[in-house]
Amino acid sequence: EPEVTQTPSHQVTQMGQEVILRCVPISNHLYFYWYRQILGQKVEFLVSFYNNEISEKSEIFDDQFSVERPDGSNFTLKIRSTKLEDSAMYFCASSPDTGTEAFFGQGTRLTVV
Amino acid sequence: AQSVAQPEDQVNVAEGNPLTVKCTYSVSGNPYLFWYVQYPNRGLQFLLKYITGDNLVKGSYGFEAEFNKSQTSFHLKKPSALVSDSALYFCAVRDIIWVYFGSGTKLNVKP
Repeated sequence: EPEVTQTPSHQVTQMGQEVILRCVPISNHLYFYWYRQILGQKVEFLVSFYNNEISEKSEIFDDQFSVERPDGSNFTLKIRSTKLEDSAMYFCASSPDTGTEAFFGQGTRLTVV
Repeated sequence: AQSVAQPEDQVNVAEGNPLTVKCTYSVSGNPYLFWYVQYPNRGLQFLLKYITGDNLVKGSYGFEAEFNKSQTSFHLKKPSALVSDSALYFCAVRDIIWVYFGSGTKLNVKP
């Protein structure tokens, strides 16, 4: 069964450093998403990406964040100058279109120290 | 404003008993409704969805959910709970592009 894969599973970084979280969406999907879940809190939408550009983003997704689809398979989330409060589980998801369910990866746990 | 509410932080049920995890929503237009489950240290797994059609939707692992338009609810149900159903359950509603998640309900199924 096709699945969304995310690497690494756990990333520890020092405050102020840049991190790149990587995702490989399901190959025939067209819409890609990043979500985050701060420990003990709800899942929050960050950004959606379609046709090589951002289609929607939340207020969380400020200039510190960027996304990219550098090739035909990877979808990355870059967080510049990380802060302690960026520590969270980050989920990548993809869907074939907007009306169907999204398939989620297992997440990358980011710990900023 | 669009929103999803899961009024119970935690639901406790004995194995073999029926379970219900509640969800209500507020969205303009016709909603696309979803349930996801999250096991410890795992990603979100899709359980079921309602787009249109029958109000009772059947999904994975024996779960089902009933869409009630008048009550704007989409409660998750299972006739007979298993210990392995213990997990965190999220209701979600989709409105064109945005997806709104509920705060999650922890389901504890005791032997």
